[in-house]
Amino acid sequence: KAGVTQTPRYLIKTRGQQVTLSCSPISGHRSVSWYQQTPGQGLQFLFEYFSETQRNKGNFPGRFSGRQFSNSRSEMNVSTLELGDSALYLCASSLQVVGETQYFGPGTRLLVL
Amino acid sequence: AQTVTQSQPEMSVQEAETVTLSCTYDTSESDYYLFWYKQPPSRQMILVIRQEAYKQQNATENRFSVNFQKAAKSFSLKISDSQLGDAAMYFCASLGGGAQKLVFGQGTRLTINP
Repeated sequence: KAGVTQTPRYLIKTRGQQVTLSCSPISGHRSVSWYQQTPGQGLQFLFEYFSETQRNKGNFPGRFSGRQFSNSRSEMNVSTLELGDSALYLCASSLQVVGETQYFGPGTRLLVL
Repeated sequence: AQTVTQSQPEMSVQEAETVTLSCTYDTSESDYYLFWYKQPPSRQMILVIRQEAYKQQNATENRFSVNFQKAAKSFSLKISDSQLGDAAMYFCASLGGGAQKLVFGQGTRLTINP
């Protein structure tokens, strides 16, 4: 069974631009969660989608948004990029039941200049 | 709110020896789950081991085992017969409160000396 895939793997953007990251979960997994990893703040939860609905949201500004499609693929969008948005963005998928193990993709490294 | 604390920023061990990584957590939830993930230089987060809080028996996966002390809110990871491939950042994480939201500790960088 294929693992979680994320595209693109690397991105360079400039301040003020917007970016869209994509995540394809493991086949059969319907929950997709997103995390931001930075040296200063560590790993922080962004949001979780299940069945095309945002089920949980972390403490991030409204510039961070996401969505999930009927095939469980998910995208996250960051608008009006700031330097502090430079990070590794990790996507994880799991079965639908809360408490199930989350399996991570390789991440997307975003650099904002 | 849940919190996870890893008090050892760095650890090192000789190849083939045993090392224990510490983790403490705090939660008001009665139903929760605990995990150890490793993140090698590739940055891919890999599940090491999982523990359901309602299970008294400590989880084991080959050379990896945990010491789950529920009353003390402690969840340490023991790696036996350390191998060079075990070198990575290790993150302790908790999940609970009816949400698929992992709360991570700050990580422990493990170095294996040949």
